[in-house]
This record gives sequence, structure tokens and C-alpha cells, in this order.
Amino acid sequence: AQSVAQPEDQVNVAEGNPLTVKCTYSVSGNPYLFWYVQYPNRGLQFLLKYITGDNLVKGSYGFEAEFNKSQTSFHLKKPSALVSDSALYFCAVRDRGDSSYKLIFGSGTRLLVRP
Amino acid sequence: SAVISQKPSRDICQRGTSLTIQCQVDSQVTMMFWYRQQPGQSLTLIATANQGSEATYESGFVIDKFPISRPNLTFSTLTVSNMSPEDSSIYLCSVSSGTSGGNTIYFGEGSWLTVV
Repeated sequence: AQSVAQPEDQVNVAEGNPLTVKCTYSVSGNPYLFWYVQYPNRGLQFLLKYITGDNLVKGSYGFEAEFNKSQTSFHLKKPSALVSDSALYFCAVRDRGDSSYKLIFGSGTRLLVRP
Repeated sequence: SAVISQKPSRDICQRGTSLTIQCQVDSQVTMMFWYRQQPGQSLTLIATANQGSEATYESGFVIDKFPISRPNLTFSTLTVSNMSPEDSSIYLCSVSSGTSGGNTIYFGEGSWLTVV
């Protein structure tokens, strides 16, 4: 069965410092991996995805994520956090062999960037 | 990316009533999905809306409770039937423009339902 773990309910970081939001996954085959962000009272916005190729994926708003197959991880990173990055972040996975196209979401990590 | 509009954006509903949520996309899309996000929780797929045929429901969701229509490639509805306070959630329409597993799924702003 597919699953996604986001081990931290909340991540606190000072503005200007680097941030990392962790994600590990479990699928029977090879994964497609996604990050989404949810700002207060809003829907989900797509940030980035890993399909194939370079393990370092760059996305919107200066975010990037690194696919690590041996550690089954896909951590979200940003070199310098902004207060406006404060939001709820979701990691999601889809098994390449799954014909349903269903995304499995992690539990979410709340990022709080303090001024 | 597609622009996805949902109506209503918010509603307060009486217990026992039903509400239909509309999802309109500004371009034709291959796949449409409905997700639920309960308060403080992650997202769970309710069903895949299939054009011209019955939706494909995930385990734990049934057609009688969540009837779905998809008459064309740009529009779908989700009805939440006989609502109870446990149905208070955000309901999100999502779309994918292709059938490749690597295609991005985009989400609407959600319909925030409170059942009293």
C-alpha cells in the first residue's frame, strides 16, 4: 500500500534562514512525488514534482526538493525563508504502476516563519 | 495550469439536507477528482468523476452519500447527501490534463461546508 509520512506537524524557522520540510514515502513501485502548499482559507497550490531525471527539482517561489531513492525521501527546501512562506505544506505520492492516478497525501506540515 | 472554479465557496447547511457543489474548469481536462479535507486533516480522495459514466468511488465512500456527475470535459458536480456534522469539511475539485501518472493535479479553492 502507498503511504506518505510527514514526521513534523510544525516547523519553525526565522526569516532568512534555510528551511526543510521532511517527507518520506512508501510505494510498491517507483513513485511520482509532489509538493503542494495551502495558505490560510485557500485551496492547494502546486509547488513542484519529481517525475524522472535530475534528483533535485526546482519549483515555485524558490522552493526545491531532492528525491532520494535509497532513503525514500523527498524533502522540501528553501535557502532563505520568507514570512510569507508560512502555510501548510503537503507531500503527495503516486505509484507509477497505479492506473487510478490517485494521489496519496501526507498529514501536512505547518511552516511558521517568524520575522 | 487550468483555472478551476467551485461554487459555493462556503456554506452553512442544516443537518439532514443535501448540497450540490459545482466545479467548472476553463479548459477541457481528461481527469476530474473530488477530495475531502476534514478539519485539521489531510486530503482524502472521494472519487474520480468519469465523463458519461458512473464515478469511481474510493473505499469508504458510496454513491448514495456522494453522488457525482460529469456531463462533459469541463464540468462536474458533487452532492453531499443527508448531511451530518461529520460532513463538515472542505471539498476540493481537482483536475489533470492528461492520463500520464506524472501529470500534475491542480486543485480548486475548495468549498467549505459547515453542517449544523
